[in-house]
Amino acid sequence: AQKITQTQPGMFVQEKEAVTLDCTYDTSDPSYGLFWYKQPSSGEMIFLIYQGSYDQQNATEGRYSLNFQKARKSANLVISASQLGDSAMYFCAMREVAGANSKLTFGKGITLSVRP
Amino acid sequence: DAGVIQSPRHEVTEMGQEVTLRCKPISGHNSLFWYRQTMMRGLELLIYFNNNVPIDDSGMPEDRFSAKMPNASFSTLKIQPSEPRDSAVYFCASSLGQTNTGELFFGEGSRLTVL
Repeated sequence: AQKITQTQPGMFVQEKEAVTLDCTYDTSDPSYGLFWYKQPSSGEMIFLIYQGSYDQQNATEGRYSLNFQKARKSANLVISASQLGDSAMYFCAMREVAGANSKLTFGKGITLSVRP
Repeated sequence: DAGVIQSPRHEVTEMGQEVTLRCKPISGHNSLFWYRQTMMRGLELLIYFNNNVPIDDSGMPEDRFSAKMPNASFSTLKIQPSEPRDSAVYFCASSLGQTNTGELFFGEGSRLTVL
């Protein structure tokens, strides 16, 4: 079974609008972390936001927020006030083992295109 | 501050040749990861090291692939012999064990094409 599922086809959003990118995950580990990365066409991987499984509040970083629904095992990324530079591939990832020295498992990614 | 440094950025080689990809992690980071990205399979973890020791190499495709980390500031991923299906972007990433988030910092990747 896939650990991280990102099933949305390519997403389109109008500039200045908000967009939600979906991510569901599968784990039996009570302690885990969820990450979102951005990969623009230039290819680099850029860390956006992190949510720990025990965090009481949803994570926010500037225009990025994470809609964490633990019971549903979903960790959707919300981008507010979209900008043309947000056009990129977005990856959801999970770390299952407590502590920082363990691997991240990535989803297949979602392509976001921002229209002017 | 210097990020994760990978070389070469691009490599084109012929089937059967040996390929060596290099990575210098961020100074002070104690975990290093090698990922491979293809359109078909997405981002796959090949191997990761903690304090220079290989922890999980279950993602290494086969014996043609090997990775080493002789010291805290250098790692190599070697493919011998290379095959066309090895064509991909290979990312190296590092992380600092003491941070809360433990996010991975990625290099710019090495794009490998095997003809």
